[in-house]
Amino acid sequence: GAGVSQSPRYKVTKRGQDVTLRCDPISSHATLYWYQQALGQGPEFLTYFNYEAQPDKSGLPSDRFSAERPEGSISTLTIQRTEQRDSAMYRCASSLGTGGDEQYFGPGTRLTVT
Amino acid sequence: AQSVTQLDSQVPVFEEAPVELRCNYSSSVSVYLFWYVQYPNQGLQLLLKYLSGSTLVKGINGFEAEFNKSQTSFHLRKPSVHISDTAEYFCAVSDRNTGFQKLVFGTGTRLLVSP
Repeated sequence: GAGVSQSPRYKVTKRGQDVTLRCDPISSHATLYWYQQALGQGPEFLTYFNYEAQPDKSGLPSDRFSAERPEGSISTLTIQRTEQRDSAMYRCASSLGTGGDEQYFGPGTRLTVT
Repeated sequence: AQSVTQLDSQVPVFEEAPVELRCNYSSSVSVYLFWYVQYPNQGLQLLLKYLSGSTLVKGINGFEAEFNKSQTSFHLRKPSVHISDTAEYFCAVSDRNTGFQKLVFGTGTRLLVSP
């Protein structure tokens, strides 16, 4: 596609519910990243994929968070049993490869847990 | 591990004035350095990056940054700002020794350009 897209753009959910966020990267990009950005902070790394492999999950805050990229293209980030502290902007980025390649960011999903 | 400090949370400046946004980093390994800009309701966009070579890096929209290894800094500059430069600016680093680009961001600096 022309750029990285994310859906939904806004999500309001009640505490305890599960949510799934979607990222559609640029079609030729092998690498996909997820970041969490709390209000007033910079983005923080959650996890990344190289095609469908997920070599690094070190940034996921707890086992309630999981991510998939089963066919090496679209990715989903799922948060189970949401808590108010999960409220944040969730950003997806993709890049051609790794190393110094530019990451292209999507517009983000604003998650609010009430 | 790496960390990034952007001491100025907000920088007000008049149109056509010069501006410098400060970024200092801490790392036990060699790093790549980046500046990203975030306009309202948009994703982050890469302004410029330092991978190797010349320490003065030129980016889009007339911005430039200088890598200073001894001071562990990567300050962003523009000689004359426009109203349209009003945005949030993030400095970021990544470990150049890993095979992927796990970006570590600073907390951001909001640039406010007024007429």
